[in-house]
Amino acid sequence: KQEVTQIPAALSVPEGENLVLNCSFTDSAIYNLQWFRQDPGKGLTSLLLIQSSQREQTSGRLNASLDKSSGRSTLYIAASQPGDSATYLCAPRYGGATNKLIFGTGTLLAVQP
Amino acid sequence: NAGVTQTPKFQVLKTGQSMTLQCAQDMNHEYMSWYRQDPGMGLRLIHYSVGAGITDQGEVPNGYNVSRSTTEDFPLRLLSAAPSQTSVYFCASRRGGLTDTQYFGPGTRLTVL
Repeated sequence: KQEVTQIPAALSVPEGENLVLNCSFTDSAIYNLQWFRQDPGKGLTSLLLIQSSQREQTSGRLNASLDKSSGRSTLYIAASQPGDSATYLCAPRYGGATNKLIFGTGTLLAVQP
Repeated sequence: NAGVTQTPKFQVLKTGQSMTLQCAQDMNHEYMSWYRQDPGMGLRLIHYSVGAGITDQGEVPNGYNVSRSTTEDFPLRLLSAAPSQTSVYFCASRRGGLTDTQYFGPGTRLTVL
């Protein structure tokens, strides 16, 4: 069964810290992997999409890495800010009939000013 | 572009009532999906469509119907609401292909009493 685990489930850091969010997936046959941000009561916003052939993808203070063979991805956030407080979700995409995203349950991040 | 829009934002139903959650996108995306999000369970795929006139079941389709008469619209119908359908519902769309980004609507929070 295709499952996604995100560790930690919750994280609280002081402003300015660099931090790493972890995502692991049981089936390594992915096409790509997306990281999303979800603010309370809101929809999901795509942060980064990393292809299965890529090792890293960067956008501003965010850097996503992918180790497909070991079924792991990390999201690195540099110089965290209170505005980064949100839930972060990873979702690998698989092929087959549904070509669907499988979501983890997310990491709830709180950045303290 | 408005992106993916959903109505209503909030809805309260009584057990046994029916209703339709509306979803529309203005990006000319072929692929559209409905997810539900429940605490501790991540997002789960209900139904999806790969183009106008084509729909299929996802992971948790029971109690829901969909149709796709146009590229823009993908309504989700609850046939006879049950308390187990209390959830937050998200519509999503993407252009197509294995490598593209998925966009989400703001969600509908549904409570079934």
